[in-house]
Amino acid sequence: DQQVKQNSPSLSVQEGRISILNCDYTNSMFDYFLWYKKYPAEGPTFLISISSIKDKNEDGRFTVFLNKSAKHLSLHIVPSQPGDSAVYFCAASGDDGGSQGNLIFGKGTKLSVKP
Amino acid sequence: KAGVTQTPRYLIKTRGQQVTLSCSPISGHRSVSWYQQTPGQGLQFLFEYFSETQRNKGNFPGRFSGRQFSNSRSEMNVSTLELGDSALYLCASSRDISWGYTFGSGTRLTVV
Repeated sequence: DQQVKQNSPSLSVQEGRISILNCDYTNSMFDYFLWYKKYPAEGPTFLISISSIKDKNEDGRFTVFLNKSAKHLSLHIVPSQPGDSAVYFCAASGDDGGSQGNLIFGKGTKLSVKP
Repeated sequence: KAGVTQTPRYLIKTRGQQVTLSCSPISGHRSVSWYQQTPGQGLQFLFEYFSETQRNKGNFPGRFSGRQFSNSRSEMNVSTLELGDSALYLCASSRDISWGYTFGSGTRLTVV
C-alpha cells in the first residue's frame, strides 16, 4: 500500500515553460515533505522541502505547494530548462524526532524538457 | 565540501555470502539513513541511525543490519545474500530534516 504516490510516471515540457510535478499522500501524520531529483547512476539530489505548517516554499526556480486538506503537494519549475530533465521523487516524513530519517518515497516522475 | 561517500561503488557477491557496505556522512551530520533502490519497488527505507543508536527501521528481514560509529560513519551488513538483494544501496545523511537528506552515489550490489 503506497503512502506516497506520484501518479504520472513521465512528463514532457517545452523549454521555458512551467513543469508541474504532482504527489499525493495518504498518511496524515506526515509533517515534512521533500522533493529530490535523480540522474541515472547517481544518488538523489535534494531540491526543496516544506513543512506541514506552510502551504508554499520557494527557492529560485522551484516552488513547492502543499494542500494538507487534499493531502496533495506539487513542485513547480519555472522556467524549465533542458538540464532539469531527470527523475523527480516526492518524499514524506513524520517529524516526531523518531522518524525524521524515515523518508517514504514515491515511485518518481521522469521529466523531459525539450529544447 | 566533501559529500556523502559510499564504498565500494560496485560489488558482485554469490548467493549465501554476506556483504558489508560503508558510508561516511558529511562532517557534522549525525543522522544517517540507508535505502534500497530497485526498479520494481523504488526507494525503500532500511534504517536510520542517530548518535550511534538505531532510531528507526523499515520493513526488511533481520538479514539486513547496520551500525553507526562514534564518528558518525555507518555500515550496513546483509547476511545470507539472496538474488533479490541485488539493488542500489543508498546512504543519506542530514543535520536537520529542513535541510533535506544528502545522498551518496550508492553501492550497486549484484548477487549471482
